[in-house]
Amino acid sequence: KNEVEQSPQNLTAQEGEFITINCSYSVGISALHWLQQHPGGGIVSLFMLSSGKKKHGRLIATINIQEKHSSLHITASHPRDSAVYICAVSNNDMRFGAGTRLTVKP
Amino acid sequence: NAGVMQNPRHLVRRRGQEARLRCSPMKGHSHVYWYRQLPEEGLKFMVYLQKENIIDESGMPKERFSAEFPKEGPSILRIQQVVRGDSAAYFCASSPPGDRANEQFFGPGTRLTVL
Repeated sequence: KNEVEQSPQNLTAQEGEFITINCSYSVGISALHWLQQHPGGGIVSLFMLSSGKKKHGRLIATINIQEKHSSLHITASHPRDSAVYICAVSNNDMRFGAGTRLTVKP
Repeated sequence: NAGVMQNPRHLVRRRGQEARLRCSPMKGHSHVYWYRQLPEEGLKFMVYLQKENIIDESGMPKERFSAEFPKEGPSILRIQQVVRGDSAAYFCASSPPGDRANEQFFGPGTRLTVL
């Protein structure tokens, strides 16, 4: 079993839909990160959080430390949100989930 | 303030050649991390360096791979005698001084293709 599990693996949505991507982890962490990777592109750090909730534009990330679970929400999704979203946890090193491939159709 | 710079962005090597990947961290950052992303796989940690020191190389293959972060100049990931299985995207990230768990800023990656 991977230390960082994401679901779903693949997600297709219609433009405007509310999207949720989940991440569960089984190790102790200092922080949890949500990253975005466009096809063939680099990696952008979206959020780093260790408790509670953070919001940036249409993106919201939450974490429940007791349940070892985090969610990334995208409101009013748009085709340009299509990317792979990666959950990662850090303590002494960084462990990555396998990623969720999101496709938003117009 | 430029972000993390990596070069080259694409590198093609024949089997047996050497590959050198460079990473210039963000200004003021003293911690550098290298990650590898194999085709259709997730990211994997390779090595964590501070200036002139390797702090954690637990993710580095035992042979042919080495990394350095000299006092002056970029961090270098060096792969000797490359094989086809080394074909991957190699990402560098940097973070400011302090806690290793600080937010990391990623470079655009170097895509290595071994023919």
